[in-house]
Amino acid sequence: DAKTTQPTSMDCAEGRAANLPCNHSTISGNEYVYWYRQIHSQGPQYIIHGLKNNETNEMASLIITEDRKSSTLILPHATLRDTAVYYCIAPSGYALNFGKGTSLLVTP
Amino acid sequence: EPEVTQTPSHQVTQMGQEVILRCVPISNHLYFYWYRQILGQKVEFLVSFYNNEISEKSEIFDDQFSVERPDGSNFTLKIRSTKLEDSAMYFCASSEALAGAGETQYFGPGTRLLVL
Repeated sequence: DAKTTQPTSMDCAEGRAANLPCNHSTISGNEYVYWYRQIHSQGPQYIIHGLKNNETNEMASLIITEDRKSSTLILPHATLRDTAVYYCIAPSGYALNFGKGTSLLVTP
Repeated sequence: EPEVTQTPSHQVTQMGQEVILRCVPISNHLYFYWYRQILGQKVEFLVSFYNNEISEKSEIFDDQFSVERPDGSNFTLKIRSTKLEDSAMYFCASSEALAGAGETQYFGPGTRLLVL
């Protein structure tokens, strides 16, 4: 797996966009970037993934730089329920390596 | 929307006892996984299972652990002789194909195991 680096924590005001960065400078050309989140001790929840192109779904947008060395997860209108730990993962095989992630706190 | 289910949600056992954690993966998925999370620590990969055999396992997955797909719907994790340090949340996941190939792993809600 490519090593990923994320900030330990971030804050975001409710209703504003939350932009969570991830560095993956050692990513290889065929490794996808996945984002998951975990709320308290619930099961990790899939958010979005991408290879080269930017992606958008009902939960979030994923912006991947042209050189693929970094990406940003965007939650367009954060709510209190988006408070969670967010994980950026670039798997190469079977296992997902969750790391420590970014703890996002959405405040009223 | 299809989802991974796990039973029981909580399990309390005595040290040295055997436990079986059960999972029902999403029906058309072919790859199955177990992860665990010790309280306050990160989610750790244990094992992946495909075509009725283990495809990858971590150092955590020692001889005390085993996995099985006893029928067409269930996927189980057995811990033969539980230790105090086995206390954790255990998550099952499934996917159509490899995450490395762009397929998504979907996780169940977990089983909280407490070994006394």
